[in-house]
Amino acid sequence: EVQLVESGGGLVQPGGSLRLSCAASEFTFSSYWMHWVRQAPGEGLVWVSRINSDATSISYADSVKGRFTISRDNAKNTLYLQMNSLRAEDTAVYYCARDLGRGSSWYDAFDIWGQGTMVTVSS
Amino acid sequence: QSALTQPASVSGSPGQSITISCTGTSSDVGSYNLVSWYQQHPGKAPKLVIYEVSKRPSGVSNRFSGSKSGNTASLTMSGLQAEDEADYYCSSYAGSRNLVFGRGTKLTVL
Repeated sequence: EVQLVESGGGLVQPGGSLRLSCAASEFTFSSYWMHWVRQAPGEGLVWVSRINSDATSISYADSVKGRFTISRDNAKNTLYLQMNSLRAEDTAVYYCARDLGRGSSWYDAFDIWGQGTMVTVSS
Repeated sequence: QSALTQPASVSGSPGQSITISCTGTSSDVGSYNLVSWYQQHPGKAPKLVIYEVSKRPSGVSNRFSGSKSGNTASLTMSGLQAEDEADYYCSSYAGSRNLVFGRGTKLTVL
């Protein structure tokens, strides 16, 4: 079964750091654009970051630029999100998602989602 | 980037058709055909139901259809069923490598 499984969420103090992982299985991970999307409790979806198949094209939402870093290890079929200088407003469920796009094009349409991992930023 | 505008809630009876609007600007919805729609049941991950304005992924019911006019995209659901009750989100590429979502619409099947 095509699947994404996130891990690494938890409780962290303001100003702290956390690294999320997203393990992909049963598809050619190295071919796809990948994203992180978050959802604060009771709120809507918010796009966080995008990375292409070979990590040569990376984009971030303004709200996380300079604090979050997306990366991938195609040999390990894993996507990462390094989150530094965390703020209370970063509290959310973080989803990794597969873009329909492969190669040089992206669709910004996500056909496979993980189950999400909760990040809580609080003292 | 500001979130796309969606009605907070819509409702319909089983068998009816409903339409959810998603209004953006000339910098996002109006300029690109990279509009998608997602269905999200409580406590679950979102599910893609429409991409590139009007295309349906494999396995999605043909009761779901999408369209766009100017700065507004729309999701239409025909033959409403109880299991369609969920939150629905639109999204659009917004230029400069940004992506923006709508605030979501809660669909109630009466």
